[in-house]
Amino acid sequence: ETGVTQTPRHLVMGMTNKKSLKCEQHLGHNAMYWYKQSAKKPLELMFVYNFKEQTENNSVPSRFSPECPNSSHLFLHLHTLQPEDSALYLCASSQEIIGVYEQYFGPGTRLTVT
Amino acid sequence: KQEVTQIPAALSVPEGENLVLNCSFTDSAIYNLQWFRQDPGKGLTSLLLIQSSQREQTSGRLNASLDKSSGRSTLYIAASQPGDSATYLCAVGGGSARQLTFGSGTQLTVLP
Repeated sequence: ETGVTQTPRHLVMGMTNKKSLKCEQHLGHNAMYWYKQSAKKPLELMFVYNFKEQTENNSVPSRFSPECPNSSHLFLHLHTLQPEDSALYLCASSQEIIGVYEQYFGPGTRLTVT
Repeated sequence: KQEVTQIPAALSVPEGENLVLNCSFTDSAIYNLQWFRQDPGKGLTSLLLIQSSQREQTSGRLNASLDKSSGRSTLYIAASQPGDSATYLCAVGGGSARQLTFGSGTQLTVLP
């Protein structure tokens, strides 16, 4: 596969569930990102990883827990979510973050919290 | 804090028209500016990337310009087609945050 892939593409979960979103990039990039896209709102950056180290956490609630085991994989662990967390979660990657290189996005995971 | 505004929020045009989408940003200390396309329920596709030292970039029927001093960028689409219907997002990279800051997008509909 090429580019940035995300699984699952759709997820429905209850507020007490625990689930994980997965992102994989096949571009040889060193930086990876999680974004949240809610209806009628601009994309919100959640987390940034550069060379597997977290460099940004934009005041994201602790019920979202990222994990980056290597430069090609990024996870977002979810637990005790709220209905307002329903959104499209997008993963992206870039060569590095210094200078803000062009970002490439995955297709997203559509999350619905019931 | 960088703020990005896109006008108009929605635009409907007949097929064949040339059109311009606008993007403005508040902090001119940027590294680059990207234009993306997003189809409903899908991820983002990068259209054009303009580095801060450049004035414009072209790809096919698309031309993007950048005026850092005035904090503006435009995306020009020539001879629009129904397949161009999508939401177009402008994102500014860099500044103090060294991140991409997105606008809310312009939803374009090209009528056959």
